Amino acid sequence: EAQVTQNPRYLITVTGKKLTVTCSQNMNHEYMSWYRQDPGLGLRQIYYSMNVEVTDKGDVPEGYKVSRKEKRNFPLILESPSPNQTSLYFCASSLDRDEETQYFGPGTRLLVL
Amino acid sequence: GQQVMQIPQYQHVQEGEDFTTYCNSSTTLSNIQWYKQRPGGHPVFLIQLVKSGEVKKQKRLTFQFGEAKKNSSLHITATQTTDVGTYFCAPSNDYKLSFGAGTTVTVRA
Repeated sequence: EAQVTQNPRYLITVTGKKLTVTCSQNMNHEYMSWYRQDPGLGLRQIYYSMNVEVTDKGDVPEGYKVSRKEKRNFPLILESPSPNQTSLYFCASSLDRDEETQYFGPGTRLLVL
Repeated sequence: GQQVMQIPQYQHVQEGEDFTTYCNSSTTLSNIQWYKQRPGGHPVFLIQLVKSGEVKKQKRLTFQFGEAKKNSSLHITATQTTDVGTYFCAPSNDYKLSFGAGTTVTVRA
């Protein structure tokens, strides 16, 4: 089954404790991205990746890091989480430059205390 | 990213009625996508509009792109309980999507 998976789905952590949210897709998609969703703000893009080893900042990259060492994986790293990073995070992927339709993962709900 | 405003923010609809949600931009858009997110779910792609004045239909859903490519609308006819959720418009520019805040639709039976 073609899908985007994220882990963990739910996470409670404390300020300053490094964490990683994994994202994996099995569709051989080139393009992957991370969004955060907050009430009243819609989805805001954090980082995106056009292909392996090619990443770029989205609209709200501060406090986040990403890597794209393999085509299928695009982990989101919070080196020192803060309470304002409490949010619902979605990973998404699309086929390539010419296919802009994005397929979203199930989401990761993060609470930073 | 490109800023779009979606109105209304909330839409409470009687089952069987029609409604329209709008997406407005101050700048010309190259294209626009629409997504639906059910409560507790993730956004799911509905459609992409590219051409000026384009109209596309999916069963009871009609999507329109304005002539000036600065606005778009989604019209749902004969609303059903399965239409509950939040509808987002998302203009695309250089493979970056910018989402509007969404219109959250609730349906009373």
